[in-house]
Amino acid sequence: AQKITQTQPGMFVQEKEAVTLDCTYDTSDPSYGLFWYKQPSSGEMIFLIYQGSYDQQNATEGRYSLNFQKARKSANLVISASQLGDSAMYFCAMRDINDYKLSFGAGTTVTVRA
Amino acid sequence: ETGVTQSPTHLIKTRGQQVTLRCSSQSGHNTVSWYQQALGQGPQFIFQYYREEENGRGNFPPRFSGLQFPNYSSELNVNALELDDSALYLCASSDRDRGSLKMEAFFGQGTRLTVV
Repeated sequence: AQKITQTQPGMFVQEKEAVTLDCTYDTSDPSYGLFWYKQPSSGEMIFLIYQGSYDQQNATEGRYSLNFQKARKSANLVISASQLGDSAMYFCAMRDINDYKLSFGAGTTVTVRA
Repeated sequence: ETGVTQSPTHLIKTRGQQVTLRCSSQSGHNTVSWYQQALGQGPQFIFQYYREEENGRGNFPPRFSGLQFPNYSSELNVNALELDDSALYLCASSDRDRGSLKMEAFFGQGTRLTVV
């Protein structure tokens, strides 16, 4: 069974600063994918970034980067140069090769202060 | 290309009633997954439909059922509504034929169901 753990229920960050959101996962499958989604108050889940278990390099997408530490089963999201529009709920999720569903963590609420 | 759309956006039902939620998948996508998201929690997988067949189900009772139509749109039906069914219901579409772990799931804006 898969499990995603996000231990930070809420975080405050100053505009233009970087913030790191923690995510640890547990799976016995060697092949899996890790995702981060952003959920604003409107409710829609917005895909941010993906990391495959066999990817050699950490994923980056614009201001988003993923700090992937496979041995520690950790996939932390780093948002650089935070903007007010980054205020939202952020979810870490995982999919494995045998199961096309996404398993989500409990989420972290990020509030960006001006 | 059109995105994923869900209807209605908000719904209030009485305990014991039945409800049908609808999802139009993104153009070219053959897979629809439904998730339940209780307030302050992460989404929980309900079930997935691939080419009109149920393909995987989460830990939800049989009163949660679904359909996928030939155009790959989908319905989620919930019978005998309970107060705990109050949640945001999210639909996600993807193209499973790509056969990739990075099969990106595109989500709709959700239907917020309140059971009173």
